[in-house]
Amino acid sequence: EAGVTQFPSHSVIEKGQTVTLRCDPISGHDNLYWYRRVMGKEIKFLLHFVKESKQDESGMPNNRFLAERTGGTYSTLKVQPAELEDSGVYFCASSRSLNPGYEQYFGPGTRLTVT
Amino acid sequence: QKEVEQNSGPLSVPEGAIASLNCTYSDRGSQSFFWYRQYSGKSPELIMFIYSNGDKEDGRFTAQLNKASQYVSLLIRDSQPSDSATYLCAVNPPFQKLVFGTGTRLLVSP
Repeated sequence: EAGVTQFPSHSVIEKGQTVTLRCDPISGHDNLYWYRRVMGKEIKFLLHFVKESKQDESGMPNNRFLAERTGGTYSTLKVQPAELEDSGVYFCASSRSLNPGYEQYFGPGTRLTVT
Repeated sequence: QKEVEQNSGPLSVPEGAIASLNCTYSDRGSQSFFWYRQYSGKSPELIMFIYSNGDKEDGRFTAQLNKASQYVSLLIRDSQPSDSATYLCAVNPPFQKLVFGTGTRLLVSP
């Protein structure tokens, strides 16, 4: 079974530019999560999809961030326009079940650097 | 107050010793508790989860939960140099998201 994949692994962009991150969850996992780790801080939740629907987007920092999951398969996270404080590692995770003790499988992350 | 608190470390233990990692959380409604291990530059990997008070053992790992004290810990017996990593405590409040601590860096010396 293939794991969660993310693309790109690393992106360097200038302030004001747009970047789109992609996440492919494990096949059959309806739940898809985006998290972000800013340097020196804890991993923070951004949002949660159940299939193609946004279940919880309480962690999205502002309206410069747009997440989509058309068709309930892969997801994209677009940052437009990027700001310096958006730099960090963006993790995607997926899980099969919402029951207690479910495992969220994490992808390798996309390291975003905004200069 | 942070939702999930961990000592950042590093926690240094000699090979073969027991490593004890601790975590406290603020939301009394939290339902499930997780320990993830993260090697530098890699993705978090789930080691243990626990949702009932008491101990849960899996190989060299034991997770301990005390909901009254809002405290969860991870014991690693017979620590190996390959256990050197950052250990992330994560809590599942009454929603599906995970709330993470900043992690404790563990160093196991040969």
